[in-house]
Amino acid sequence: DAGITQSPRHKVTETGTPVTLRCHQTENHRYMYWYRQDPGHGLRLIHYSYGVKDTDKGEVSDGYSVSRSKTEDFLLTLESATSSQTSVYFCAISERFTGTGGADGNEKLFFGSGTQLSVL
Amino acid sequence: LAKTTQPISMDSYEGQEVNITCSHNNIATNDYITWYQQFPSQGPRFIIQGYKTKVTNEVASLFIPADRKSSTLSLPRVSLSDTAVYYCLVANTNAGKSTFGDGTTLTVKP
Repeated sequence: DAGITQSPRHKVTETGTPVTLRCHQTENHRYMYWYRQDPGHGLRLIHYSYGVKDTDKGEVSDGYSVSRSKTEDFLLTLESATSSQTSVYFCAISERFTGTGGADGNEKLFFGSGTQLSVL
Repeated sequence: LAKTTQPISMDSYEGQEVNITCSHNNIATNDYITWYQQFPSQGPRFIIQGYKTKVTNEVASLFIPADRKSSTLSLPRVSLSDTAVYYCLVANTNAGKSTFGDGTTLTVKP
């Protein structure tokens, strides 16, 4: 367990209001990610962070901003929520993985439990 | 980043072996292949990772041919609880930038 906590678990808000989702990790991982997942589809990357104050855009970053002022917290903000941002949001961290047979592995992702966001 | 292609869905019965193949024709030399499983209302969770040949752990095996342009996740003797979506990811560093795609929905029937 990579010790990832997302809050809130559920959120209902109105169009035009700001919303902030929080991802908290307890194990000092460098990389953190925010994804959204819409019904019947895979996860799409919104933003990611590679260190404190170091962030970059993913494939669906429009309408979202992020901040990482501490290693353990990665915040996702919808400045003015729209109905198209109704989705399930997942946070993840990546951890270096040592493969079997003595070979060095790559990274593996650990995900939080998700936040169901509904924008009415 | 390498693009992956998987079947949209597969059906199986309890007790059968299931093989899910992923194509990744433009895999880079330093890329690893990682498979994740996702149940409804949960985040994906790591199943297995490999670079070449065969890797086995307590839940699955991963077969990778010499050209590494595809990989096959093998689930032995599936049960109803293996019904889930399975994703294949190809990446080197910064694995979270990998494209998940829509995955393969496996339905295990009694």
